[in-house]
Amino acid sequence: QLVQSGAEVKKPGDSLKISCKGSGYTFTDYFIGWVRQMPGRGLEWMGIIHPGDSDTRYSPSFQGQVTISADRSITTAYLQWSSLEASDTAMYYCARRARGTSNWALWGQGTLVIVS
Amino acid sequence: QSALTQPASVSGSPGQSITISCSGTSSDVGGYKYVSWYQQHPGKAPKLMIYDVSNRPSGVSNRFSGSKSGNTASLTISGLQSEDEADYYCSSYTSSRTSVFGGGTKLTVL
Repeated sequence: QLVQSGAEVKKPGDSLKISCKGSGYTFTDYFIGWVRQMPGRGLEWMGIIHPGDSDTRYSPSFQGQVTISADRSITTAYLQWSSLEASDTAMYYCARRARGTSNWALWGQGTLVIVS
Repeated sequence: QSALTQPASVSGSPGQSITISCSGTSSDVGGYKYVSWYQQHPGKAPKLMIYDVSNRPSGVSNRFSGSKSGNTASLTISGLQSEDEADYYCSSYTSSRTSVFGGGTKLTVL
């Protein structure tokens, strides 16, 4: 399963790091992806990381805006902001897939981030 | 990269079939077999319904099927049921080695 960290309420300019802990599978065998869903809006891929080799890719809209990382020792992936904006208010989901497939079957429960 | 194009809404009566289209380009939908579809009920995480164009994960009803022709993928739901009412999103791998979602389609079961 993927278990995400709890909801956050932050102020503009604050930094933030949310987490996604994988369990019950070999963490280094799968990509972890991050998805944003702004209030009342659709899903957006932000980027993905492969904890096995640290292969990290960002969607163009999010390149330079966030940092995706992973700590294999504690089977946890992270999504990080250095300076939040009100427009970062959203639900953030992590999900998992293996190489060579679009099978994003396993999802976290979501982390709500409110910037106000 | 632009979001894939989906109709904003579709509707159907119980028992009917509906199809949701997902249009992209040769750099995403048309270029790869990595198209997937997700169902999202309000306040819930997305649920994978179809992956790799036409494969169903275990536990997903065989009323859901996927296909692709050229740069357009499709999700068909047969024998509509009230619990199918939800938002549906397509997703595709892209030539940028990332993925992109469609804008989402709201399915209403009349």
